[in-house]
Amino acid sequence: DAGITQSPRHKVTETGTPVTLRCHQTENHRYMYWYRQDPGHGLRLIHYSYGVKDTDKGEVSDGYSVSRSKTEDFLLTLESATSSQTSVYFCAISELSSGRGTQYFGPGTRLLVL
Amino acid sequence: QKEVEQNSGPLSVPEGAIASLNCTYSDRGSQSFFWYRQYSGKSPELIMSIYSNGDKEDGRFTAQLNKASQYVSLLIRDSQPSDSATYLCAVKARGGNKLTFGTGTQLKVEL
Repeated sequence: DAGITQSPRHKVTETGTPVTLRCHQTENHRYMYWYRQDPGHGLRLIHYSYGVKDTDKGEVSDGYSVSRSKTEDFLLTLESATSSQTSVYFCAISELSSGRGTQYFGPGTRLLVL
Repeated sequence: QKEVEQNSGPLSVPEGAIASLNCTYSDRGSQSFFWYRQYSGKSPELIMSIYSNGDKEDGRFTAQLNKASQYVSLLIRDSQPSDSATYLCAVKARGGNKLTFGTGTQLKVEL
């Protein structure tokens, strides 16, 4: 299994509070991604990173920010959580030079915003 | 039109039968194609990747790609109850670094 961990694995928070989710990898892969998964919508890309301090938006980036200060860590911040951000969040990693873009997923974080 | 489309199912097959899962995509420039399996409450797990037209076999799994018709399929032979899961199709555009996922097909293998 790809060495990817996510923390916390479960979180309950209140509307309006900031929340930070962490993704940590031990594979030294260049690319890291944050997705959310909701019934009927599948996996949707929030933000991704193509290197330290290099990030870009995905299709559902509003209300989210990211940071990557080290190759191994990619943080996702919900600046002011809303109930619509209740979801399961997955981190993924990829090394495009091999496997033609194959992504490997972390175990996920279940977030409930009350 | 969704970029990657899958029938949501559920697709029910008896144990030992062949399960056939289909996926169509809209971007003709797509380059790489992936099938992920996701058990309930778990994260997606890669089971097959395919990059060129034709068939690719790995154990009980066969991926089929037809770029002219813009579809990719996954065949599971000798289906087992442990194959019951949601199968996600993912597509990468040429030159891109992102995957676009379908919403998945739920497979149920019945005893």
